[in-house]
Amino acid sequence: DTGVSQNPRHKITKRGQNVTFRCDPISEHNRLYWYRQTLGQGPEFLTYFQNEAQLEKSRLLSDRFSAERPKGSFSTLEIQRTEQGDSAMYLCASSHDRNQPQHFGDGTRLSIL
Amino acid sequence: GESVGLHLPTLSVQEGDNSIINCAYSNSASDYFIWYKQESGKGPQFIIDIRSNMDKRQGQRVTVLLNKTVKHLSLQIAATQPGDSAVYFCAETYNDYKLSFGAGTTVTVRA
Repeated sequence: DTGVSQNPRHKITKRGQNVTFRCDPISEHNRLYWYRQTLGQGPEFLTYFQNEAQLEKSRLLSDRFSAERPKGSFSTLEIQRTEQGDSAMYLCASSHDRNQPQHFGDGTRLSIL
Repeated sequence: GESVGLHLPTLSVQEGDNSIINCAYSNSASDYFIWYKQESGKGPQFIIDIRSNMDKRQGQRVTVLLNKTVKHLSLQIAATQPGDSAVYFCAETYNDYKLSFGAGTTVTVRA
């Protein structure tokens, strides 16, 4: 399968803990995106990378959130001091270039106890 | 079956019939539009896209229509099958990276 891969698929943690998610994009896709989706809603943009450079961050991305794409391949999204409101599906997508369709992974579902 | 008007959250369609899913987008500056299908527990799956210099594009069993005058997008699915049951989202962008998604329409196919 050469699609976007996300790990873990599910994460359950206690409030206040740190969590990290990983995304492996489609090979040779230069752009990588992170979105958040809550139940019954469409995905909301969080941030995106062009190769290893993080070019845009949504105001939804508080200072507890950090994303990296160190070698322009896989990316990680870390949430520090998790809060109840962080419970959501975190989706990663990649695209070859601008105005090319973004292809999504199956997400990491985060549940905060 | 058709979601009448700008948007309805659910659409029930008989297997074999054609489906029409409507979407009203918000930003007149948007120039790229995508339809996604999302099944339970999975991420959005790309269906078809269209750029603002076009008003119609066809794929396999699907057609997207774009009316920029009224900021309206529609997805037509021919000969709807049980596997088409899912939530369908339209997405728009004006800056080529940030997709803004609509609320989604849940399509249920009746056997």
